[in-house]
Amino acid sequence: KAGVTQTPRYLIKTRGQQVTLSCSPISGHRSVSWYQQTPGQGLQFLFEYFSETQRNKGNFPGRFSGRQFSNSRSEMNVSTLELGDSALYLCASSLELQLYNEQFFGPGTRLTVL
Amino acid sequence: TQLLEQSPQFLSIQEGENLTVYCNSSSVFSSLQWYRQEPGEGPVLLVTVVTGGEVKKLKRLTFQFGDARKDSSLHITAAQPGDTGLYLCAENNAGNMLTFGGGTRLMVKP
Repeated sequence: KAGVTQTPRYLIKTRGQQVTLSCSPISGHRSVSWYQQTPGQGLQFLFEYFSETQRNKGNFPGRFSGRQFSNSRSEMNVSTLELGDSALYLCASSLELQLYNEQFFGPGTRLTVL
Repeated sequence: TQLLEQSPQFLSIQEGENLTVYCNSSSVFSSLQWYRQEPGEGPVLLVTVVTGGEVKKLKRLTFQFGDARKDSSLHITAAQPGDTGLYLCAENNAGNMLTFGGGTRLMVKP
Protein backbone atom coordinates (compact mmCIF):
# COMPACT_ATOMS: atom_id res chain seq x y z
CA LYS A 1 0.00 0.00 0.00
CA ALA A 2 1.46 3.38 -1.03
CA GLY A 3 2.32 5.79 1.77
CA VAL A 4 1.54 9.46 2.12
CA THR A 5 3.01 11.43 -0.76
CA GLN A 6 3.85 15.11 -0.77
CA THR A 7 4.75 17.33 -3.68
CA PRO A 8 6.98 19.06 -4.33
CA ARG A 9 9.73 17.75 -2.07
CA TYR A 10 11.76 20.94 -2.26
CA LEU A 11 10.77 24.49 -3.02
CA ILE A 12 12.55 27.85 -3.07
CA LYS A 13 10.54 31.04 -3.01
CA THR A 14 11.19 34.70 -2.28
CA ARG A 15 9.56 36.92 0.31
CA GLY A 16 6.11 38.11 -0.63
CA GLN A 17 5.34 35.21 -2.94
CA GLN A 18 2.73 32.59 -2.24
CA VAL A 19 3.09 28.81 -2.33
CA THR A 20 0.83 25.76 -2.57
CA LEU A 21 1.85 22.38 -1.22
CA SER A 22 0.07 19.13 -2.00
CA CYS A 23 -0.55 15.98 0.01
CA SER A 24 -2.03 12.66 -1.12
CA PRO A 25 -3.06 10.51 1.85
CA ILE A 26 -2.96 6.73 2.09
CA SER A 27 -5.86 5.25 0.17
CA GLY A 28 -8.94 5.10 2.39
CA HIS A 29 -7.68 7.64 4.91
CA ARG A 30 -10.08 10.53 5.35
CA SER A 31 -8.22 12.65 7.89
CA VAL A 32 -5.30 14.81 6.78
CA SER A 33 -3.25 16.96 9.15
CA TRP A 34 -0.50 19.47 8.38
CA TYR A 35 2.50 20.34 10.54
CA GLN A 36 5.36 22.81 10.34
CA GLN A 37 8.80 21.71 11.54
CA THR A 38 11.57 24.24 12.25
CA PRO A 39 14.78 23.96 14.28
CA GLY A 40 13.61 26.64 16.68
CA GLN A 41 9.96 25.75 17.24
CA GLY A 42 10.00 22.04 16.52
CA LEU A 43 6.91 20.33 15.12
CA GLN A 44 3.77 22.45 15.32
CA PHE A 45 0.24 21.60 14.27
CA LEU A 46 -1.21 23.75 11.49
CA PHE A 47 -4.65 22.29 10.75
CA GLU A 48 -6.59 19.08 10.24
CA TYR A 49 -9.19 18.19 7.63
CA PHE A 50 -11.74 15.42 7.72
CA SER A 51 -14.22 14.83 4.92
CA GLU A 52 -13.40 18.19 3.31
CA THR A 53 -14.03 20.11 6.57
CA GLN A 54 -11.42 21.83 8.70
CA ARG A 55 -11.85 20.25 12.14
CA ASN A 56 -8.98 21.87 14.04
CA LYS A 57 -6.62 24.77 13.51
CA GLY A 58 -3.34 25.56 15.21
CA ASN A 59 -2.02 28.93 16.27
CA PHE A 60 -0.82 30.23 12.91
CA PRO A 61 -1.69 33.48 11.11
CA GLY A 62 -4.34 33.64 8.44
CA ARG A 63 -1.67 33.56 5.73
CA PHE A 64 -1.70 29.80 6.26
CA SER A 65 -4.73 28.10 4.78
CA GLY A 66 -5.71 24.71 3.47
CA ARG A 67 -8.39 22.65 1.88
CA GLN A 68 -9.32 19.05 1.27
CA PHE A 69 -10.89 17.60 -1.84
CA SER A 70 -13.52 14.90 -2.17
CA ASN A 71 -10.81 12.28 -2.85
CA SER A 72 -9.18 13.27 0.50
CA ARG A 73 -6.19 14.88 -1.17
CA SER A 74 -5.24 18.10 0.57
CA GLU A 75 -3.44 21.30 -0.23
CA MET A 76 -2.05 24.00 1.98
CA ASN A 77 -1.32 27.53 0.89
CA VAL A 78 0.93 30.16 2.39
CA SER A 79 0.51 33.70 1.11
CA THR A 80 2.87 36.66 1.44
CA LEU A 81 5.80 34.47 2.40
CA GLU A 82 8.16 35.58 5.15
CA LEU A 83 11.69 34.40 5.88
CA GLY A 84 10.39 32.68 9.01
CA ASP A 85 8.15 30.46 6.93
CA SER A 86 11.20 28.47 5.85
CA ALA A 87 10.50 25.02 7.26
CA LEU A 88 9.74 21.40 6.58
CA TYR A 89 5.99 21.04 6.05
CA LEU A 90 4.69 17.61 6.93
CA CYS A 91 1.39 16.05 6.06
CA ALA A 92 -0.10 13.12 7.97
CA SER A 93 -3.12 10.96 7.24
CA SER A 94 -5.18 8.64 9.40
CA LEU A 95 -8.17 6.36 8.98
CA GLU A 96 -10.75 7.79 11.35
CA LEU A 97 -11.20 10.54 13.86
CA GLN A 98 -10.16 8.54 16.96
CA LEU A 99 -8.28 9.61 20.06
CA TYR A 100 -5.39 7.14 19.81
CA ASN A 101 -5.38 6.94 16.07
CA GLU A 102 -2.08 6.35 14.29
CA GLN A 103 -1.06 9.11 11.94
CA PHE A 104 1.13 8.26 8.97
CA PHE A 105 3.48 11.03 7.91
CA GLY A 106 4.74 11.87 4.46
CA PRO A 107 8.38 12.81 3.79
CA GLY A 108 7.57 16.51 3.83
CA THR A 109 8.12 19.50 1.60
CA ARG A 110 11.15 21.58 2.45
CA LEU A 111 10.36 25.23 1.78
CA THR A 112 13.11 27.82 1.67
CA VAL A 113 12.15 31.49 1.58
CA LEU A 114 14.87 33.88 0.40
CA THR B 1 -1.96 24.41 25.84
CA GLN B 2 -0.04 21.50 27.31
CA LEU B 3 3.74 21.81 27.14
CA LEU B 4 5.82 18.69 26.54
CA GLU B 5 9.45 18.87 27.60
CA GLN B 6 11.95 16.32 26.36
CA SER B 7 15.40 15.67 27.74
CA PRO B 8 18.13 15.50 26.84
CA GLN B 9 17.97 17.54 23.66
CA PHE B 10 21.06 15.83 22.22
CA LEU B 11 22.69 12.52 22.95
CA SER B 12 25.79 11.03 21.34
CA ILE B 13 26.78 7.55 22.44
CA GLN B 14 28.82 4.55 21.30
CA GLU B 15 27.26 1.45 19.84
CA GLY B 16 26.30 -0.99 22.58
CA GLU B 17 25.55 1.60 25.25
CA ASN B 18 22.18 1.99 26.94
CA LEU B 19 20.25 5.26 27.08
CA THR B 20 17.05 6.78 28.40
CA VAL B 21 15.17 9.80 27.12
CA TYR B 22 12.39 11.53 28.97
CA CYS B 23 9.17 13.34 28.20
CA ASN B 24 7.44 15.44 30.87
CA SER B 25 4.24 17.41 30.86
CA SER B 26 2.78 20.27 32.85
CA SER B 27 -0.50 18.35 33.08
CA VAL B 28 -1.93 14.87 32.71
CA PHE B 29 -1.66 13.18 29.34
CA SER B 30 -4.77 11.60 27.85
CA SER B 31 -2.39 9.36 25.92
CA LEU B 32 1.19 9.62 24.76
CA GLN B 33 2.87 8.56 21.57
CA TRP B 34 6.54 8.15 20.73
CA TYR B 35 7.82 8.74 17.20
CA ARG B 36 11.19 8.41 15.51
CA GLN B 37 12.15 10.64 12.61
CA GLU B 38 15.08 9.98 10.33
CA PRO B 39 16.66 12.60 8.06
CA GLY B 40 14.58 13.31 4.98
CA GLU B 41 11.55 11.48 6.30
CA GLY B 42 8.47 12.14 8.37
CA PRO B 43 8.03 10.81 11.92
CA VAL B 44 7.08 7.15 12.31
CA LEU B 45 4.96 5.99 15.24
CA LEU B 46 6.77 3.63 17.62
CA VAL B 47 4.19 3.19 20.38
CA THR B 48 1.08 4.60 22.07
CA VAL B 49 0.76 4.44 25.87
CA VAL B 50 -2.54 5.10 27.56
CA THR B 51 -2.67 3.66 31.08
CA GLY B 52 -0.65 5.05 34.01
CA GLY B 53 2.23 2.71 34.89
CA GLU B 54 2.04 1.01 31.50
CA VAL B 55 5.22 -0.54 30.10
CA LYS B 56 5.56 -1.54 26.45
CA LYS B 57 8.48 -3.19 24.72
CA LEU B 58 9.48 -3.03 21.08
CA LYS B 59 12.58 -5.18 20.58
CA ARG B 60 15.37 -3.23 22.34
CA LEU B 61 13.12 -0.26 23.12
CA THR B 62 11.18 -0.06 26.39
CA PHE B 63 8.53 2.60 26.88
CA GLN B 64 7.15 3.53 30.28
CA PHE B 65 4.21 5.74 31.18
CA GLY B 66 4.33 7.35 34.61
CA ASP B 67 1.76 6.36 37.23
CA ALA B 68 0.37 9.89 37.26
CA ARG B 69 0.39 10.04 33.44
CA LYS B 70 2.47 13.22 33.44
CA ASP B 71 5.73 11.70 32.27
CA SER B 72 7.09 8.98 30.04
CA SER B 73 10.47 7.48 29.24
CA LEU B 74 12.04 5.59 26.37
CA HIS B 75 14.93 3.26 27.18
CA ILE B 76 17.10 1.75 24.47
CA THR B 77 19.27 -1.24 25.32
CA ALA B 78 22.50 -1.88 23.42
CA ALA B 79 22.02 0.98 21.00
CA GLN B 80 22.93 0.45 17.36
CA PRO B 81 23.79 2.97 14.62
CA GLY B 82 20.39 2.25 13.09
CA ASP B 83 18.78 3.80 16.18
CA THR B 84 20.16 7.20 15.17
CA GLY B 85 17.41 9.74 14.68
CA LEU B 86 15.13 12.29 16.29
CA TYR B 87 12.88 10.84 18.99
CA LEU B 88 9.68 12.75 19.60
CA CYS B 89 6.96 12.36 22.18
CA ALA B 90 3.51 13.65 21.36
CA GLU B 91 0.06 13.86 22.83
CA ASN B 92 -2.77 13.06 20.45
CA ASN B 93 -5.51 15.51 21.27
CA ALA B 94 -9.02 15.18 19.95
CA GLY B 95 -9.21 15.60 16.21
CA ASN B 96 -5.86 14.09 15.33
CA MET B 97 -4.06 17.18 16.60
CA LEU B 98 -0.63 16.12 17.83
CA THR B 99 1.26 18.28 20.32
CA PHE B 100 4.94 17.41 20.10
CA GLY B 101 7.83 17.77 22.49
CA GLY B 102 11.03 19.40 21.31
CA GLY B 103 12.64 16.04 20.57
CA THR B 104 15.83 14.22 21.50
CA ARG B 105 18.39 13.95 18.73
CA LEU B 106 20.27 10.68 19.16
CA MET B 107 23.49 9.74 17.42
CA VAL B 108 24.89 6.25 17.88
CA LYS B 109 28.48 5.93 16.73
CA PRO B 110 29.80 2.58 15.47
